[in-house]
Amino acid sequence: DTGVSQNPRHKITKRGQNVTFRCDPISEHNRLYWYRQTLGQGPEFLTYFQNEAQLEKSRLLSDRFSAERPKGSFSTLEIQRTEQGDSAMYLCASSLIRGQTYSSGNTIYFGEGSWLTVV
Amino acid sequence: DAKTTQPPSMDCAEGRAANLPCNHSTISGNEYVYWYRQIHSQGPQYIIHGLKNNETNEMASLIITEDRKSSTLILPHATLRDTAVYYCIVRVAGTGANNLFFGTGTRLTVIP
Repeated sequence: DTGVSQNPRHKITKRGQNVTFRCDPISEHNRLYWYRQTLGQGPEFLTYFQNEAQLEKSRLLSDRFSAERPKGSFSTLEIQRTEQGDSAMYLCASSLIRGQTYSSGNTIYFGEGSWLTVV
Repeated sequence: DAKTTQPPSMDCAEGRAANLPCNHSTISGNEYVYWYRQIHSQGPQYIIHGLKNNETNEMASLIITEDRKSSTLILPHATLRDTAVYYCIVRVAGTGANNLFFGTGTRLTVIP
């Protein structure tokens, strides 16, 4: 399968613990996005990278949330000192931006998500 | 951030066409209309997008009004597997952030 891959798919953690999710984008996609989705709501944008540069992070929910994409390929999303309100599905997505021309190649494709339950 | 309005739910008989409306009255000239769907517990799946012309692919057709203030996603022969939440999103063209901002979508239930 050459789609966006996320691991782990499910994580149960105790309040106060740190968790990390990994995302492997579609091969050669230079943009990578993180979203969060709570029950009954649409996905909520958190942050995105172009290659290794994090171009938008003001929508990360708090300073407990951080994301990295050190080599411009896979990315990790870390939540420190988890709280019960962090329970949600965390979605990763990727796209390919080509030059200055907007085209169908910029379509964003999502992974299957990582479910987090904080108990 | 969501700039679209969709009915919260719709039903459709299996085998019939499902027509999902979307209002985007404040759409700008450089914004595309995108449709995604999300089947229970899965990630959003891209369906189709368009700027001002009608578009068709193997999954669906997208009809955009001439003034671009509304659109309709058409699933020509709905099956039970089309039961999902459908999101209509406007997205800026270009190489800026052009992220997707989701609303709450339309929950389509295909009835046997």
